[in-house]
Amino acid sequence: KAGVTQTPRYLIKTRGQQVTLSCSPISGHRSVSWYQQTPGQGLQFLFEYFSETQRNKGNFPGRFSGRQFSNSRSEMNVSTLELGDSALYLCASSLPSGYNEQFFGPGTRLTVL
Amino acid sequence: AQSVSQHNHHVILSEAASLELGCNYSYGGTVNLFWYVQYPGQHLQLLLKYFSGDPLVKGIKGFEAEFIKSKFSFNLRKPSVQWSDTAEYFCAVTPSGSARQLTFGSGTQLTVLP
Repeated sequence: KAGVTQTPRYLIKTRGQQVTLSCSPISGHRSVSWYQQTPGQGLQFLFEYFSETQRNKGNFPGRFSGRQFSNSRSEMNVSTLELGDSALYLCASSLPSGYNEQFFGPGTRLTVL
Repeated sequence: AQSVSQHNHHVILSEAASLELGCNYSYGGTVNLFWYVQYPGQHLQLLLKYFSGDPLVKGIKGFEAEFIKSKFSFNLRKPSVQWSDTAEYFCAVTPSGSARQLTFGSGTQLTVLP
């Protein structure tokens, strides 16, 4: 069974630009969560989607948004990029029940110059 | 809101030494607990999980963890580490039934010397 895939793997942007990251969950997984990993703040929850609806949201500004499509694939968007947005963005998928663990993808490394 | 503390930021051991990594959480209700590992150049992988039942949980690669509710702790143990265990280890917690919104600790970098 294929794992969680994320594209692109690496991205370089400049301040003020916007970026869209993509995540394809494991087949049959309908819940997708996004996390930001930085050396200073560690791993922080961004948001979670299920059945095309955002169910939970972390403490991030409105510049961070996401969506989920009917095939469970998810995208996250960051507008008006800031230097501090440089991070590894991780996507995780799981079965819908809250009693199933999340499986993580390799991440997208975003560098903002 | 919940929080997780991992007090050991970097642990260095020799092969065959025993390992114990501390994890304490703060949350007023029932929780699900996890340990994830991130090997160099690889993505996060689940080592073990606790949802309910036996507080001593066994995971992959010989790891185990014990949930002590009175101490709000979920420490990771392995009786004899190998060089291949060199990695970063993350403890995570969620409110029970909400395993999709993980709160992670800051991580512990484990270096095992051959």
